[in-house]
Amino acid sequence: GESVGLHLPTLSVQEGDNSIINCAYSNSASDYFIWYKQESGKGPQFIIDIRSNMDKRQGQRVTVLLNKTVKHLSLQIAATQPGDSAVYFCAETPLSLYSGGYQKVTFGTGTKLQVIP
Amino acid sequence: NAGVTQTPKFQVLKTGQSMTLQCAQDMNHNSMYWYRQDPGMGLRLIYYSASEGTTDKGEVPNGYNVSRLNKREFSLRLESAAPSQTSVYFCASSFGLGEANEAFFGQGTRLTVV
Repeated sequence: GESVGLHLPTLSVQEGDNSIINCAYSNSASDYFIWYKQESGKGPQFIIDIRSNMDKRQGQRVTVLLNKTVKHLSLQIAATQPGDSAVYFCAETPLSLYSGGYQKVTFGTGTKLQVIP
Repeated sequence: NAGVTQTPKFQVLKTGQSMTLQCAQDMNHNSMYWYRQDPGMGLRLIYYSASEGTTDKGEVPNGYNVSRLNKREFSLRLESAAPSQTSVYFCASSFGLGEANEAFFGQGTRLTVV
């Protein structure tokens, strides 16, 4: 899950198993959420997004679940592969027609996923 | 299709020196952003440009200036570098303008101020 501090929480998963990465968001006005993957030495890369009018969205091998009641977001990765090893972080933002939306994005600090071959 | 290109990739500055980080995107995006990433802090927005011709402060603008040179390019300037500005800097772009869409990030610039 998300954490504030100098050390990223780490999730170690055996290759082939499913991974679940959690994120607790703070702003109840947030209505758009994104999961990013950041490999070492690279910029963040979009994985999947979800709007607040949904509670589940599936992509290729990834599923995002949103629980607005408890302000919780999770990313599920099926059949985790070595190439999934990275830092994953969620981002939240309130959608706004006038502000452009993105400048109010709040990024979490991330969870490091380690895949054990 | 290069996406978002940042230069330089690495830079070491002495305290008080100035430099400009360059960013260009070829996706015809309206909005561009500069973030810094520090250990345990996540990404923090320095400045953004919602559209060509506009720039606004983000969460941590002090010590920085920006220029949206045209729709493609958005530069970040450090006028007098300080050790506290040692960080990894990311430029990003998105369609913006109220649409729900993801940002595309550059590879980052690792800046060390000694």
